Amino acid sequence: GAVVSQHPSRVICKSGTSVKIECRSLDFQATTMFWYRQFPKQSLMLMATSNEGSKATYEQGVEKDKFLINHASLTLSTLTVTSAHPEDSSFYICSARDGGRGGPYNEQFFGPGTRLTVL
Amino acid sequence: AQTVTQSQPEMSVQEAETVTLSCTYDTSESDYYLFWYKQPPSRQMILVIRQEAYKQQNATENRFSVNFQKAAKSFSLKISDSQLGDAAMYFCAYSLDTGTASKLTFGTGTRLQVTL
Repeated sequence: GAVVSQHPSRVICKSGTSVKIECRSLDFQATTMFWYRQFPKQSLMLMATSNEGSKATYEQGVEKDKFLINHASLTLSTLTVTSAHPEDSSFYICSARDGGRGGPYNEQFFGPGTRLTVL
Repeated sequence: AQTVTQSQPEMSVQEAETVTLSCTYDTSESDYYLFWYKQPPSRQMILVIRQEAYKQQNATENRFSVNFQKAAKSFSLKISDSQLGDAAMYFCAYSLDTGTASKLTFGTGTRLQVTL
């Protein structure tokens, strides 16, 4: 159980186009989803936190209009990189928090990531 | 703001030996959670072990154990009987658990090599 998928796993796009990345919780309801960005040989940097049915909370320095996040259902969140540029090339990882489980901590489960290359 | 520091960019251990990865953190909170995540070449993040700050007992998961020193704000990971499959990036992470504050703050990571 507790599987999170991401689609696509790899995407190459031209500069100026928009790219949508999907994050799905396959066997649980995710009340909260997180989007991270990871540059080569670096750590994960949180971009934003999204709660189902409400606006995402972005971390300082992350452009809201460039990285659009939608969490329309309890199993799906999308990240759209608008007007992509080569500097947006990175590895994007989502995680989902299981809101249905009890206990002192609701663990985050990570997706396998999406490698975005902007030419 | 909370920060997590991993001072060892790379570590190496021989197969079957023991290695300890270091992590320190800074927080003004008293209740929080600490984690070690493994990221193999596939890039899939895998939870290795979790420690609740209110628990004095160090967490253990098979060959993996932690040394949690709350006063010193230190949280090291010990891997015993190292295996080739343990080779990966290891990230230390910190989290509160109050709604959106449950976000994870990661350290810079330690790359672990396992040699024969």
